[in-house]
Amino acid sequence: AQSVAQPEDQVNVAEGNPLTVKCTYSVSGNPYLFWYVQYPNRGLQFLLKYITGDNLVKGSYGFEAEFNKSQTSFHLKKPSALVSDSALYFCAVRDRGGYNKLIFGAGTRLAVHP
Amino acid sequence: GAGVSQSPRYKVAKRGQDVALRCDPISGHVSLFWYQQALGQGPEFLTYFQNEAQLDKSGLPSDRFFAERPEGSVSTLKIQRTQQEDSAVYLCASSTDRGNSPLHFGNGTRLTVT
Repeated sequence: AQSVAQPEDQVNVAEGNPLTVKCTYSVSGNPYLFWYVQYPNRGLQFLLKYITGDNLVKGSYGFEAEFNKSQTSFHLKKPSALVSDSALYFCAVRDRGGYNKLIFGAGTRLAVHP
Repeated sequence: GAGVSQSPRYKVAKRGQDVALRCDPISGHVSLFWYQQALGQGPEFLTYFQNEAQLDKSGLPSDRFFAERPEGSVSTLKIQRTQQEDSAVYLCASSTDRGNSPLHFGNGTRLTVT
């Protein structure tokens, strides 16, 4: 079965420093991978996706993610963190089948300190 | 509005009561998903509609949960005889039918069963 793992419950980073939020996946076949962000009392917002092509995917708000097939990872990155980036981040993999059903990880809380 | 709209935002129910949660997807979106998000967890898939057809209900936790989308637009998730373990945020998402298009989430309905 398709699954994703987010090994860190929380990531703390100082404003202006680079950030990384980790995600590993387990899929059969080609992986379709996504990152979403959730602010308090809000739904999830799409950040970026990897379907095929370049391993470095650029998304919204300056975020990017690096697909690494050999390590089965899809880590989310940003060169310079902002306090406003503090939120809950979810990695997701598309389930097998003909529609866009997503399987989500447990989430990682990112705290950016001034 | 341009986004997915869910109502009510908050619902408190006494154990044993029935509840109905509404989702207005983005106009023209063929696909509609319901997810359940427990506190501190990632969203868990409940059910999927393509237009008015419910193609996947594998995530519904019991026969107390029922969803419908009779005209292929608005959807309602109904929970009968609510239990405390039903307390969660219920998220609705919609997307176009293009492969791998992102899901657009509503802000959710927070259900508390007392």
